[in-house]
Amino acid sequence: EAGVAQSPRYKIIEKRQSVAFWCNPISGHATLYWYQQILGQGPKLLIQFQNNGVVDDSQLPKDRFSAERLKGVDSTLKIQPAKLEDSAVYLCASSLSEAGGNNSPLHFGNGTRLTVT
Amino acid sequence: GNSVTQMEGPVTLSEEAFLTINCTYTATGYPSLFWYVQYPGEGLQLLLKATKADDKGSNKGFEATYRKETTSFHLEKGSVQVSDSAVYFCALSPDAGYALNFGKGTSLLVTP
Repeated sequence: EAGVAQSPRYKIIEKRQSVAFWCNPISGHATLYWYQQILGQGPKLLIQFQNNGVVDDSQLPKDRFSAERLKGVDSTLKIQPAKLEDSAVYLCASSLSEAGGNNSPLHFGNGTRLTVT
Repeated sequence: GNSVTQMEGPVTLSEEAFLTINCTYTATGYPSLFWYVQYPGEGLQLLLKATKADDKGSNKGFEATYRKETTSFHLEKGSVQVSDSAVYFCALSPDAGYALNFGKGTSLLVTP
């Protein structure tokens, strides 16, 4: 099966600019996650979607970050305006399971490496 | 809250050495536990998992046992290879279908 696709692979922007990342999950996967991985740290959940609804966005900095999954398939994560501390790898993952259902593994994309200068 | 703590790296071993990477967790209820691996230049991949106490997850020669009494899920391999060089992440899911909480990762370098 095709894996989780993310683009772009790399992005360099200046602070205060905006940026968007795109994710196409594995076909049929109901749940989609965006994680932020700062260098030397483990991934931190930003937002979890179940189909096109938000399950958890408690750690999403909503003053500058936004995400959507309009048709329950692809998703876009946006940062506006970017700060230096947003430099990280942004990982998208998907899984079959629905919240409260049987646990199924997360499949990760290769991520987008963002550098804010 | 729910969290995992794993040993600091980097860990450097010679080929065929025994590997242990410690992971302990804090959680309410009965979480599922995972080990993910990130090879250089690649995305995170599930290595193994355990969903209840005393379960043993295993894959590619790696093993980890879910120990509720010690709240641990240590990763072990009897004989590491150069190709095992990667970053290993311990993670937990507090309940079925919920997002993973990851540890900081442990970098492993295996030398010939």
